[in-house]
Amino acid sequence: AQTVTQSQPEMSVQEAETVTLSCTYDTSESDYYLFWYKQPPSRQMILVIRQEAYKQQNATENRFSVNFQKAAKSFSLKISDSQLGDAAMYFCAYRAFFTGANSKLTFGKGITLSVRP
Amino acid sequence: EAGVAQSPRYKIIEKRQSVAFWCNPISGHATLYWYQQILGQGPKLLIQFQNNGVVDDSQLPKDRFSAERLKGVDSTLKIQPAKLEDSAVYLCASSRGQGQYNEQFFGPGTRLTVL
Repeated sequence: AQTVTQSQPEMSVQEAETVTLSCTYDTSESDYYLFWYKQPPSRQMILVIRQEAYKQQNATENRFSVNFQKAAKSFSLKISDSQLGDAAMYFCAYRAFFTGANSKLTFGKGITLSVRP
Repeated sequence: EAGVAQSPRYKIIEKRQSVAFWCNPISGHATLYWYQQILGQGPKLLIQFQNNGVVDDSQLPKDRFSAERLKGVDSTLKIQPAKLEDSAVYLCASSRGQGQYNEQFFGPGTRLTVL
């Protein structure tokens, strides 16, 4: 079974600074998807960024980028120029590539990010 | 495009009572998911529907939880009877399909407190 581990429960960053959130995972599959989701307080979860395991290039979405290390099974999220609106819980998630019928997401425990003004 | 709708947003019940949650997915989305998010943990899949058929309910406590998706659109999740450990946020998500990558869109969730 696949597992996703986020070992840091909380992090804090100064506004306009850069922060990196860590995630490791375990799978025996060679192809899969990895995601970072953002869940603001009392608001719905939204997708921040997606990485396909078969792509060597790290995904980037504006101020958000990932460092995908397939051999190490590591998938970290870097947030540049942090803004107050980035304060939220962030979840790392895994999905199998060839799913057949099942396309469920497996989530880590999440990390609470606070942004200091 | 309207997002995934869920109701109620909050529910407080006594243990052994029953409760039902409702989800309306994004129009045209064939796949619907119910996740349970216990405080301090990541969401865990309870059940996945493809249209009105069940794809995966391996993590659903079937002695007390039930779910249906009649006509392949709206879905309800029921707990009967509730236990203290059922206190959690219940998230509904939907996606266009289950095959090649389709983004899952989440609703705002229903926060259940069992006293």
